[in-house]
Parts: sequence; structure tokens; C-alpha cells
Amino acid sequence: DAKTTQPPSMDCAEGRAANLPCNHSTISGNEYVYWYRQIHSQGPQYIIHGLKNNETNEMASLIITEDRKSSTLILPHATLRDTAVYYCIVRSNAYSGAGSYQLTFGKGTKLSVIP
Amino acid sequence: NAGVTQTPKFQVLKTGQSMTLQCAQDMNHNSMYWYRQDPGMGLRLIYYSASEGTTDKGEVPNGYNVSRLNKREFSLRLESAAPSQTSVYFCASSEWVGREQYFGPGTRLTVT
Repeated sequence: DAKTTQPPSMDCAEGRAANLPCNHSTISGNEYVYWYRQIHSQGPQYIIHGLKNNETNEMASLIITEDRKSSTLILPHATLRDTAVYYCIVRSNAYSGAGSYQLTFGKGTKLSVIP
Repeated sequence: NAGVTQTPKFQVLKTGQSMTLQCAQDMNHNSMYWYRQDPGMGLRLIYYSASEGTTDKGEVPNGYNVSRLNKREFSLRLESAAPSQTSVYFCASSEWVGREQYFGPGTRLTVT
């Protein structure tokens, strides 16, 4: 899986949009960009994923650059409950050995939503 | 629709005791996983089940066994608990391997 780089921490005012960047310059053509988050003491939560087109669901939007070397997760109206560590993961959906089933979480971005 | 449920939420064991962690999902997913999370270590895959009737080792399987009881349920057994198995255990499921995974709330296990 391609390596990702995220800022270690970010702050966002409550009610404003939170834009979380991720660099994945070595991404290959069959690798997707996935975003998960982990709120303190809870299980990781899937947010969204995409291949090359921008994606939106009820939780967030994912913007992927045309060259696919970076992406941004957007939480349109951040609330205090969005305070969490956000993980950007790049992986293929194709089987490439048993290890391909494991989610590898890096250090992520700790997002603090400020009242 | 409860998603992925895990029992128990907390457990304290003495060294050498055995226990089974239970996991169930109601999303009709084919694949299920067991992870452990230690401080500063991230998630590590213990075992997974790609589909009902199959199980395979992950990154850290030693000291654990699993059973895919049916499509919904995937249990993790510690036969002889050791202090090194003190951790938070997460179960997850996905429609198929490689797809997005949905996690349970975790079981916090302490082995003394």
C-alpha cells in the first residue's frame, strides 16, 4: 500500500468546515483513498473512500486531485462530536496476499473542534 | 440495525485463564476480522474470515484461536491468557475482503 502523509493536528471552529489534507504521491492506479476516524476509546469508523472522482456522502466529502497524489476530506459543518483522530489510508481492493486485508493506520490527524 | 456488536465490553483475567470474545454483525457481510490495538502501535490484525467457513491468520495470531460460527458471528478465544495480551480488541466486518470495514465498540481486556 502507498504511504500517506497527514498533519499531526488541526483545529477547527464549531460550525465551520474542516478540511483535512492527505498526501499520497506514490499511489498506484488501482489503489483507493479511504478515510476512517477514531473517536477516543471507540472503534474506528469508516467515513468515505474514492478512486479518482470526488465523492460525497452523509458524513463528508472527499476531493481527490487530478493527478491523485493528494486528497482532502471535508467535514462541511464540524461539531464537537467530530473531534477525533482522522486516518487517510491508501489501499487496493484486490487481493495481494493475506496482509492486504489488514487496515494499516498511520498516525493520522488529530482534529480538535473548538466551541 | 446494530452494526457490529461485541461482548463483553470489559474483562479482567488472571494469567492462564481462558475466555472467548464474541462478535456479531447484522449487515449480512461476508468477511470478518479481529484486531488488537495497543497504545502507540495502531491496529494489528489477529485473524480474519474471508467468508463463512474460512479463517486465516493475520499479523499476530499466536495465543489466539477463532471460530466463524455462522455468517453473523466470529469469536476470538484466548486459551491461556498472558499479560502481553492486555489490549483493546476490535471486531470488524466488510461486505467482502478489501472493502471498507465497519468496527465494533471494542473489548478492553486486562490480564494480570
